[in-house]
Amino acid sequence: DSGVTQTPKHLITATGQRVTLRCSPRSGDLSVYWYQQSLDQGLQFLIQYYNGEERAKGNILERFSAQQFPDLHSELNLSSLELGDSALYFCASSVGVGYRVPGELFFGEGSRLTVL
Amino acid sequence: AQRVTQPEKLLSVFKGAPVELKCNYSYSGSPELFWYVQYSRQRLQLLLRHISRESIKGFTADLNKGETSFHLKKPFAQEEDSAMYYCALSDPAGGYNKLIFGAGTRLAVHP
Repeated sequence: DSGVTQTPKHLITATGQRVTLRCSPRSGDLSVYWYQQSLDQGLQFLIQYYNGEERAKGNILERFSAQQFPDLHSELNLSSLELGDSALYFCASSVGVGYRVPGELFFGEGSRLTVL
Repeated sequence: AQRVTQPEKLLSVFKGAPVELKCNYSYSGSPELFWYVQYSRQRLQLLLRHISRESIKGFTADLNKGETSFHLKKPFAQEEDSAMYYCALSDPAGGYNKLIFGAGTRLAVHP
């Protein structure tokens, strides 16, 4: 499958812990986007990377950080976890940055994080 | 601030009935708008974008700048249209776009 892959699919952890979510973009895509979807909420944009560099930032908490590696995969690190961080975290990729009109975003299946 | 509002969490219709999924946006510039769809057990995917002025799977959406709306319409709903629909706005602030999504509307088409 050459689509966007996310691991793990499910993760259960305790408050105060730290987790890392991983995303591999589609082959050839240089941009990676992270979104958070909490219960009854839409997809909240967190952060975007293009070819290893941060390009756009949304309402990402200081406890959260991300990076994109030379092989273009990306990791989202969530630390000092709170109950409210429980959500579905989506990664998406696109060919380019899309200065004016974004290229189509291709989404992964998401990583469901449960904080107990 | 840029925002996308989808006022209906759930829209329930019978097969063959017309469908209109509402989307309103707030944006100070010239917007680029999209509809994404997520069918059961599938990934979120692009349905259509307003600049293409296309009809996909019988769905169309017209950008109304006066009403700041981008409603998704289909004259005759099919059971396979049942899915979660998200309206999205491209925000090119800072030179690099990001997509801002609404909360989504679940469309249920009954036989």
